[in-house]
Amino acid sequence: LAKTTQPISMDSYEGQEVNITCSHNNIATNDYITWYQQFPSQGPRFIIQGYKTKVTNEVASLFIPADRKSSTLSLPRVSLSDTAVYYCLVEGRDTGRRALTFGSGTRLQVQP
Amino acid sequence: DSGVTQTPKHLITATGQRVTLRCSPRSGDLSVYWYQQSLDQGLQFLIQYYNGEERAKGNILERFSAQQFPDLHSELNLSSLELGDSALYFCASSDTAGGYTFGSGTRLTVV
Repeated sequence: LAKTTQPISMDSYEGQEVNITCSHNNIATNDYITWYQQFPSQGPRFIIQGYKTKVTNEVASLFIPADRKSSTLSLPRVSLSDTAVYYCLVEGRDTGRRALTFGSGTRLQVQP
Repeated sequence: DSGVTQTPKHLITATGQRVTLRCSPRSGDLSVYWYQQSLDQGLQFLIQYYNGEERAKGNILERFSAQQFPDLHSELNLSSLELGDSALYFCASSDTAGGYTFGSGTRLTVV
């Protein structure tokens, strides 16, 4: 499984754009990059998934360069409610569904 | 509501006891995964079931066991409980190609 590396913590203010970068140097050809968000005492929640280039949904954007060795989760205009832990995962799309391996995640603190 | 139901939400028990945590997966999902998250720790994968069969094991202690029933709900049994077993236990489910959906967890406190 490809190992991911992301910052332990980040601080931001309300209304700012937050970019969290994740490194996954050993990503395999059939791997997808997925980001999850976790609030205290709640289960992780799927945010966005991508394979290459750029993916955007109503919550976030995901930027993946051509070599796919890193990815950047972009949260536009964060609010206090975006304070959470964000996990970057690399998920293989081979046969069967393997369990997700979570790293330490990035703890985002949004201040007023 | 994520569609994955975990019961109970909270559980307080004494050391040495045995408890059972229950998980009902999202409708149509065949895979169930159990995770443990201790205070301020990451999510540790315990075990996975797929359509009633054990698929993968992670860092699950021998005192812990699980099963998935024909109706696809799953139970995680924790025995000979120790103080260090106090944690949030999450269940997740997935279908063959879609995303993973997590339940809201069971908070276990061992006193």
